[in-house]
This record gives sequence, C-alpha cells and structure tokens, in this order.
Amino acid sequence: LAKTTQPISMDSYEGQEVNITCSHNNIATNDYITWYQQFPSQGPRFIIQGYKTKVTNEVASLFIPADRKSSTLSLPRVSLSDTAVYYCLVGDSWQAGTALIFGKGTTLSVSS
Amino acid sequence: EAGVAQSPRYKIIEKRQSVAFWCNPISGHATLYWYQQILGQGPKLLIQFQNNGVVDDSQLPKDRFSAERLKGVDSTLKIQPAKLEDSAVYLCASSYRLAGGQHPEQFFGPGTRLTVL
Repeated sequence: LAKTTQPISMDSYEGQEVNITCSHNNIATNDYITWYQQFPSQGPRFIIQGYKTKVTNEVASLFIPADRKSSTLSLPRVSLSDTAVYYCLVGDSWQAGTALIFGKGTTLSVSS
Repeated sequence: EAGVAQSPRYKIIEKRQSVAFWCNPISGHATLYWYQQILGQGPKLLIQFQNNGVVDDSQLPKDRFSAERLKGVDSTLKIQPAKLEDSAVYLCASSYRLAGGQHPEQFFGPGTRLTVL
C-alpha cells in the first residue's frame, strides 16, 4: 500500500480557506485517495474520495495533480467546528483484501 | 437511517481479565471492520469481515484477540487475557460492497473506550 505523509498540525482562523496537502509518492495505478475527519471522542467520518483532477462535494474539494503523487484537501471558510484530525488514505480496491491504513493525520485547530 | 451501534461505551478491567465488545452495523452493510485506536494515533485495522467471512485479520493479535460475525450481521470482539497495552478505543465500522475500484465509505460507530489497569 502507498504510504502517505501529511503535516502533523495546522492552525487557522475562522473564515479562512484551509488546504491540507498529503504526499503519496508511491501511489499505484489503481489507488484511490480518501480523506476522513475525526472529532474527539467520535469515530472518523468520510469526507471525500478521488482518483484524479478535482472532486468537490458540499463539504470540501480534493485536488489531485496529474502525477497523483500528492493531493490537497481544501476546506472553504472554516469554522470552529472544523477543528478535528484529518486523515489522508491511499489504497486500491477493497476487493483485493487490502484495507485503508490510517496514519497519525493532521490536527487542524481553528481559532476565532 | 440508524448508525453503527456499539456497546459498551466504556469498560474498565484489570489486566489478565477478559472483555467483549459488541457491534451492530448499518442494515444492509456487508462489510464490517474492527479498529483499535490508541491515544494520539490513527485507527489501526484489526479485522475485516465480508458477510460472515474474514477478509483481513493480518494485524489481529490472535493469541489474545478473537472476533466473530455470526449470520453476517452483528459482531463481537473479545480480548482474553487483556494487557495494559490494550487500553484504547475500539471502533467498529461498516460499509456497502462496491463493485469498482473505489474504497467504499466506512461508517464508524462511537467506539468503546477500554482501560486496562
């Protein structure tokens, strides 16, 4: 499975756009990129998943360059409630018996 | 739609005792996962079931941990005997089965916080 590297922590203020970049130099052809969010005392929650270019949903955008060796999760206009740990995961289809591996994630702290 | 249910929410035991956790996944989800999350770390997959069959248990310490998913619905995770280093949050998650290459969205339960004294 491709290994991922992301910053341990980031700080932001309310109303700002936050971009969290994840490096995955050894990503394989069939790998998808998935991001989860985790609040204290809760289980992780799926945010977004993509394969290439750009994916957008009601919560975030995911930017993936052509070489797919990195990806950027973009959170528009963050609020205090976006303070959480964000995990970047890379893997191929679960049908191969391979599960996604969670690293330590990026702890995002949003201040007023 | 009801979420993933887990019980108990908290458990405190002495080392060398045994403990069991229960998980009820979202209705219709064929895949069930058990994770261990130690404070300050990301979740670590212990075992993955597809219906009532094991897909991946490569990181399950089989000398003390066991899990089953009878009838492909509810699941139990057991630790016997517990060690101090087993203190963690045990998360259960479930997902649909997808035909394509994407990883299906996993829905997590609230977890069980285990403290081993």
